[in-house]
Amino acid sequence: QKEVEQNSGPLSVPEGAIASLNCTYSDRGSQSFFWYRQYSGKSPELIMSIYSNGDKEDGRFTAQLNKASQYVSLLIRDSQPSDSATYLCAIYSGAGSYQLTFGKGTKLSVIP
Amino acid sequence: GAVVSQHPSWVICKSGTSVKIECRSLDFQATTMFWYRQFPKQSLMLMATSNEGSKATYEQGVEKDKFLINHASLTLSTLTVTSAHPEDSSFYICSARRDRNTEAFFGQGTRLTVV
Repeated sequence: QKEVEQNSGPLSVPEGAIASLNCTYSDRGSQSFFWYRQYSGKSPELIMSIYSNGDKEDGRFTAQLNKASQYVSLLIRDSQPSDSATYLCAIYSGAGSYQLTFGKGTKLSVIP
Repeated sequence: GAVVSQHPSWVICKSGTSVKIECRSLDFQATTMFWYRQFPKQSLMLMATSNEGSKATYEQGVEKDKFLINHASLTLSTLTVTSAHPEDSSFYICSARRDRNTEAFFGQGTRLTVV
């Protein structure tokens, strides 16, 4: 059973702070990692993808991947109230990369 | 990112009728499309995975005769909820990807209400 674990939250941070979201996974063969944002009542929106160890930055977002420790994280700098949403970690696992497995999501609340 | 269009965005139907939901990849060819269901305040639940030209693979517990999936072309997949009942009321979302290991993009979702 390939598993993707996220803290369900809610994670509350003040406006302007850094929000740190974490995800761990069980399949060491995982190759592709994604972060999606889902606003209430809406479908998920892709915000970051990362494929190799290290950091990847895109604007206020930084994805961090550590395959040895089997975790991937998302940092949101200068958090805004509009960042309040549920953040989903998604991972392709193993040979064939057929199945995209989602975590249950972390709910982020940015307090003005 | 790539665009995936889902239609309709909401539908209300009578119990016992069937509803078809379309999912189109507008600017890329999708070798694989996924169908999800999401109940309020719950996480995404994968219903089935479909590859163009082949039968869909359904997740355990999902009735394939009730949720008919057709992936007839590289840009279109449809989900038909047959003989819908109030317990089928949910938010149905499709996603599509070009190839294995690439990003999957989501449609806007369809909110189904069965009365």
